[in-house]
Amino acid sequence: NAGVTQTPKFRILKIGQSMTLQCTQDMNHNYMYWYRQDPGMGLKLIYYSVGAGITDKGEVPNGYNVSRSTTEDFPLRLELAAPSQTSVYFCASSTGQGGKLFFGSGTQLSVL
Amino acid sequence: QKEVEQNSGPLSVPEGAIASLNCTYSDRGSQSFFWYRQYSGKSPELIMFIYSNGDKEDGRFTAQLNKASQYVSLLIRDSQPSDSATYLCAVKDSEERTYKYIFGTGTRLKVLA
Repeated sequence: NAGVTQTPKFRILKIGQSMTLQCTQDMNHNYMYWYRQDPGMGLKLIYYSVGAGITDKGEVPNGYNVSRSTTEDFPLRLELAAPSQTSVYFCASSTGQGGKLFFGSGTQLSVL
Repeated sequence: QKEVEQNSGPLSVPEGAIASLNCTYSDRGSQSFFWYRQYSGKSPELIMFIYSNGDKEDGRFTAQLNKASQYVSLLIRDSQPSDSATYLCAVKDSEERTYKYIFGTGTRLKVLA
């Protein structure tokens, strides 16, 4: 099983550019999450989804958008990149109900 | 704002010693607690979870939970250099139908050979 797959692994953006971080999981999990991790910090929740067609904001949603058209995919969209969005982004999935999170390998994003 | 607090460290212990990592949380209704290990440049991986007050042991790892004090700890016995990593405490938000997890900033552990 591939688990949770994120692409790309690294990306450099210029201020004002847009991009989509891709996340797909093959475990048939209903719950999916996007976190960002700044250096020396913990994980901050950006958006999450409890199933196809249902998304909700986390702690730090400003500057991001998500969609969930299928159970497998949960892309994260940055519309107007800003230096403050330089971070490592992790996608995760879960069966829910207090279960463990399965993480992707992360995307390191720099906005210059 | 619900919070999970950890000492950032680094916590340095000699090889073979017991490493003790601590975590406090603000959400009194939380029922599920997790410890993740994160090596530098890698994604977090779950090492322990605990739902009930008391101790839970798995190999060299013991998780301890005290809901009255809102306190979770992780003990690592016979610490090895390979245990050197950042340990993240995570708590499931008690708000119904959200399934959100709140993470602490992590404690960096260094096991000295």
